[in-house]
Amino acid sequence: GQQLNQSPQSMFIQEGEDVSMNCTSSSIFNTWLWYKQDPGEGPVLLIALYKAGELTSNGRLTAQFGITRKDSFLNISASIPSDVGIYFCAGPPDTGFQGAQKLVFGQGTRLTINP
Amino acid sequence: EPEVTQTPSHQVTQMGQEVILRCVPISNHLYFYWYRQILGQKVEFLVSFYNNEISEKSEIFDDQFSVERPDGSNFTLKIRSTKLEDSAMYFCASSDPRGINQPQHFGDGTRLSIL
Repeated sequence: GQQLNQSPQSMFIQEGEDVSMNCTSSSIFNTWLWYKQDPGEGPVLLIALYKAGELTSNGRLTAQFGITRKDSFLNISASIPSDVGIYFCAGPPDTGFQGAQKLVFGQGTRLTINP
Repeated sequence: EPEVTQTPSHQVTQMGQEVILRCVPISNHLYFYWYRQILGQKVEFLVSFYNNEISEKSEIFDDQFSVERPDGSNFTLKIRSTKLEDSAMYFCASSDPRGINQPQHFGDGTRLSIL
């Protein structure tokens, strides 16, 4: 089945630094979603991307939908302590199925920030 | 902002017992989903549900699992005879059927511990 590979698996940065992480797939995705998960909580949607080449921002977060439709990246500028958590990329596989489409998740990037 | 709510937050059960995990999706959403996350791993799709029917299920969702929408607001996941390997976080999600690829919104999960 379609899989998403995230890199890096973990990041240790200083507060105030910029962060960049990415997500790749061997097959095409028509939607890319970025979620953040805090300990003991569910994934919270950060950014949704629907069009190849699309660049979307949400505050200090910026994400892009790759032209090939096989990758996406998420950038966080000027990191702050509350950015700590696990960031997941996700998307519905391109099966032609319409309706309640399942999401495939990457394995996550764990972000740790040193104050 | 409307949210998906799940109960209980933590369920401890003896192996072989039945458990029912409960979810209240966002009120105008009609697509419902269950996912699970084994500790330290990625989020995995279990089942999607629409119009009182299962839309899609994964190979994890075997005969021990069932889902139900018993009334206009609840969506439940039942595991008939729990196994040790069922220990995980279980997340409910819902999405709006209007439009294409509307993002899924997740609850905070139920931590299921099988003894």
